[in-house]
Amino acid sequence: SQTIHQWPATLVQPVGSPLSLECTVEGTSNPNLYWYRQAAGRGLQLLFYSVGIGQISSEVPQNLSASRPQDRQFILSSKKLLLSDSGFYLCARPPRGGRNNEKLFFGSGTQLSVL
Amino acid sequence: DAKTTQPPSMDCAEGRAANLPCNHSTISGNEYVYWYRQIHSQGPQYIIHGLKNNETNEMASLIITEDRKSSTLILPHATLRDTAVYYCIVRVPEVAGGGNKLTFGTGTQLKVEL
Repeated sequence: SQTIHQWPATLVQPVGSPLSLECTVEGTSNPNLYWYRQAAGRGLQLLFYSVGIGQISSEVPQNLSASRPQDRQFILSSKKLLLSDSGFYLCARPPRGGRNNEKLFFGSGTQLSVL
Repeated sequence: DAKTTQPPSMDCAEGRAANLPCNHSTISGNEYVYWYRQIHSQGPQYIIHGLKNNETNEMASLIITEDRKSSTLILPHATLRDTAVYYCIVRVPEVAGGGNKLTFGTGTQLKVEL
């Protein structure tokens, strides 16, 4: 199984509220994991990636943070959401056993609307 | 990673071949060309990738020019379900210990019509 679980599917949050999006994967151990964001009408932007527990690399400065508390869990967070945080958030991983393969699998995404 | 240029949109009649171009004039010798597509409100889906030889799989064909400065993704018999944004990405595969960081541009919106 190459399953990626993301939840929730949709989320509406007020400005200034906290955020926690969770991504869990099955069928592999110690995968590279990625968080992407897609703003309306724009391409996908890589936000964070993690090569292991506690290891987070940030690609762009922003209002968000990421954590990898467990091997198969990747969390995206914010203490205070901004309007500009609205977008479609996607978690991704390589195929099972693949740390170097570019055939990334993506989760079903979370559509976040900050009002 | 080399920059890619794609047309913002294309139309194709159902049943006809869809030919999606991508320019990557600054590609270096060890960079691969990858294609993904994203159907509305879903995560991107890997289609195909190649280095310099033409490639074919069950989804599509990838034609890379001899100088590798451009490529074309071919969907031989487009269907309505192929309507999506298609992304062309050029990069070097990551070595162990790094991250498979793919940078997506804005892609080409392909609309397949009856």
